[in-house]
Formats: sequence, C-alpha cells, structure tokens
Amino acid sequence: SQKIEQNSEALNIQEGKTATLTCNYTNYSPAYLQWYRQDPGRGPVFLLLIRENEKEKRKERLKVTFDTTLKQSLFHITASQPADSATYLCAQPATSGTYKYIFGTGTRLKVLA
Amino acid sequence: NAGVTQTPKFRVLKTGQSMTLLCAQDMNHEYMYWYRQDPGMGLRLIHYSVGEGTTAKGEVPDGYNVSRLKKQNFLLGLESAAPSQTSVYFCASSSGDTSYEQYFGPGTRLTVT
Repeated sequence: SQKIEQNSEALNIQEGKTATLTCNYTNYSPAYLQWYRQDPGRGPVFLLLIRENEKEKRKERLKVTFDTTLKQSLFHITASQPADSATYLCAQPATSGTYKYIFGTGTRLKVLA
Repeated sequence: NAGVTQTPKFRVLKTGQSMTLLCAQDMNHEYMYWYRQDPGMGLRLIHYSVGEGTTAKGEVPDGYNVSRLKKQNFLLGLESAAPSQTSVYFCASSSGDTSYEQYFGPGTRLTVT
C-alpha cells in the first residue's frame, strides 16, 4: 500500500533562515501532492498543491518541489519567522484517481527568535 | 460562513458506550471525510463520502459507522467504544474540483476509559 514518510524529528531553525521539510512516498507516483499546516489543538489548513508535471510551485515565502524520479517533495519556507512554527503535513491520493487520501505523520518546525 | 464545524469538542466515554460525532459544512461540498489523529500515527482516514447518500471505507474503518443523509452533514458513530478509539477526530470536506483542497474542522477529542 502507498506510504508517505516525513521526518518525525522536530526541526529547529533560526529566524530568517530557510526551513526545508521532506516528504517521501513509496510505490505509485501520485498525480499531485498537498502540503498542510497544523497548529496545536487545531485542524490542518491547506497550503499548497503541486502536480506531477510541475517541478516547482511558489506562494509568498513558500516553495514546494516535486521530483517523481526520487519520489520526493520538498517544502521550503524562506525568511522563516517564529509565526511559522507549526507541524507541516504532506498528503496525497491513496491510489490513482481516488478521493481517498493518506497523510504523512508531519514534521514539527520551530523557528527560534 | 462557518466552514466545517464539529460537535462535540470533547467527550469522555466508558468502554462499551456509544456516541455519534456530528460534522457539518456550509460550503456545499460534495466530499466529506472522517480522520483520526494519534501521536506518531498521523491522520488516518476512517470513512469518507463522495456525495449525499454515499459512504465508503477508509484505512481504519473497523468499529465505526457513518451516514450522509444530508449533503451538509456527515455523522460518525461508535456503537461500542473501546479504549483504542481514544483519539482526536477530524472531519474535512472538499468540493471535488481540481484544487483538491480539504477544509478541516476543529476536531473532537474523545477519551474512552
């Protein structure tokens, strides 16, 4: 079955630096990947979607890449701020053509002032 | 526009008791989902619905039942609660368009003793 792996260890970085989070998947290559942000005690909030034919997608200080050869997506936050501290989740369809999704366990990011 | 709401926010059950969690969305979305989130396990799909009157099993459906009698509501039932069902439950909805964005509710924290 399809699996998503995210680094479960927390990532601590200094304010102003670029944070890079990794999402690796197994088996079939999805048509798209999604990234969500989750704050403690709250539901996830959608950030970005990247499709298989898009190498890179940007939104303000966020950048996502999608490498189907490596079966990997990278999520970057440039000029990071303490307000960016949260858990970031990667998600994708469980199988091709489905609306059934699987999520990674998330990576907790802490931006230090 | 309230988005996705969940009722109740917190609940404590004794083993063997039953309860129903209610999810409501006011965005006229076709697709609705129930997830559970446990430490170290990430979000796991319990059941989902692709339209009014339809339901389908997700990754971890055992011990749960669902109903989607009205488009805006998706109910999750536990017929005989077990301690293993202690978790945070999230409901989500999506329009089914090509953004594939899921909108999540605030969650229900359920403890089964």
